[in-house]
Order: sequence, then C-alpha cells, then structure tokens
Amino acid sequence: GAVVSQHPSRVICKSGTSVKIECRSLDFQATTMFWYRQFPKQSLMLMATSNEGSKATYEQGVEKDKFLINHASLTLSTLTVTSAHPEDSSFYICSAPLGNQPQHFGDGTRLSIL
Amino acid sequence: GNSVTQMEGPVTLSEEAFLTINCTYTATGYPSLFWYVQYPGEGLQLLLKATKADDKGSNKGFEATYRKETTSFHLEKGSVQVSDSAVYFCALSGGGADGLTFGKGTHLIIQP
Repeated sequence: GAVVSQHPSRVICKSGTSVKIECRSLDFQATTMFWYRQFPKQSLMLMATSNEGSKATYEQGVEKDKFLINHASLTLSTLTVTSAHPEDSSFYICSAPLGNQPQHFGDGTRLSIL
Repeated sequence: GNSVTQMEGPVTLSEEAFLTINCTYTATGYPSLFWYVQYPGEGLQLLLKATKADDKGSNKGFEATYRKETTSFHLEKGSVQVSDSAVYFCALSGGGADGLTFGKGTHLIIQP
C-alpha cells in the first residue's frame, strides 16, 4: 500500500489564489521530504528539500517566496503556491525516503490555475 | 552536477518485442541508480534499482545493470506486453539525503 499520501490530488482555482498541498508519510517518520514539479511530457524537476525543524533548501531558480514549504512534523510537509498564476499550473509530486530504501512518491497533485 | 540522459520517445513496439531504453548518467562519487515507471494518470512507481557497480536490478521481467565503466543503466525486457505501455524514468541519487535527478522520461507504447 501507499507509504506516502499526497492531498489534494487535483486543484482547479482562479489566478491569485494560494494553494496548499500536503504530503504525509504513513507509518514512518520523515525528517526529509522532497518536492518535485513535472510539466506536461517533461521530466520531474526537484524544487526543494523539506527539512523537519529547519528551513527548506531550494534548488536554483525556484522562488522560495512563491513556493512556501513547511515541514510541520515528522510526518507532514506542506507546499503552498502563493498567489498562483497560470504559469504555475503543473503536476507537483512529493517523496520521502524510508531508511535506506529508495524514495517513495505520493500520487501527485495536478494544479490548474485559470 | 549530476545529470541523467535517456533516449527520448515515443518508442513504439509490437507486443512480444524486445525492449531497450538507454540511460547514461554523470555523477560525482558512487550514485544509486533507479528506473521508475509512470502509468497514465498515476504517480511514480519504483520499477528497479541498483546501488553499486555491476549490480543488476530486476522486476516484472525488466532488467538493468549498473555499468560504471560506461556510466550506463539501460533498461531491457525480453518480451513486452501492452500493459507495459507507460513513461519510464531513469534516475540517480547521490545518497539518502539527496533528491533524485531524473532523465526526461521515455514514453513506451506497445501495440497488440
């Protein structure tokens, strides 16, 4: 079964709205989680590393004021897309490593900004 | 920095054909290598992995061998099925605390 739960699976909202996406690790603690973005027919690009108890680490070119990340607990990381615009429409996916195992991915959130 | 290059698709094959999807990488140190599969409308699923040179990962009839000398991790399957139609991503990780670096993905279409 799923070990990483991501919610919501789909969001459609108006331009200017802020959207929060949750990523939860199920039955294990994740001090680190990762957020990716996938454009249509493109690869996944790492946006940021979410660290429990400290600030997120953003990849080059990712606006930290635009994509707010909060690792509120050992099982929850949230990504908030602030004042979203149509160019922010994308597929956002989180992942969490479990011990020495490869990362487990959530099912993703499809964000559509009208 | 790390990078992954994989053959671009779409790759269209007939059922029971032999499949190869090429993947090469650039990385510092000794990365772990992965193949992930994404079926239509779904998230990513780990298909197989290899953590050191000469390791062979295998799952569901798919295989890939970690070749350090050629920095490659090509995905192969002897006889594909229609249900194998999906997008396949090659990826590497420098370690447990690192995010993954993905290739661009290869869309595989298997025709009956």
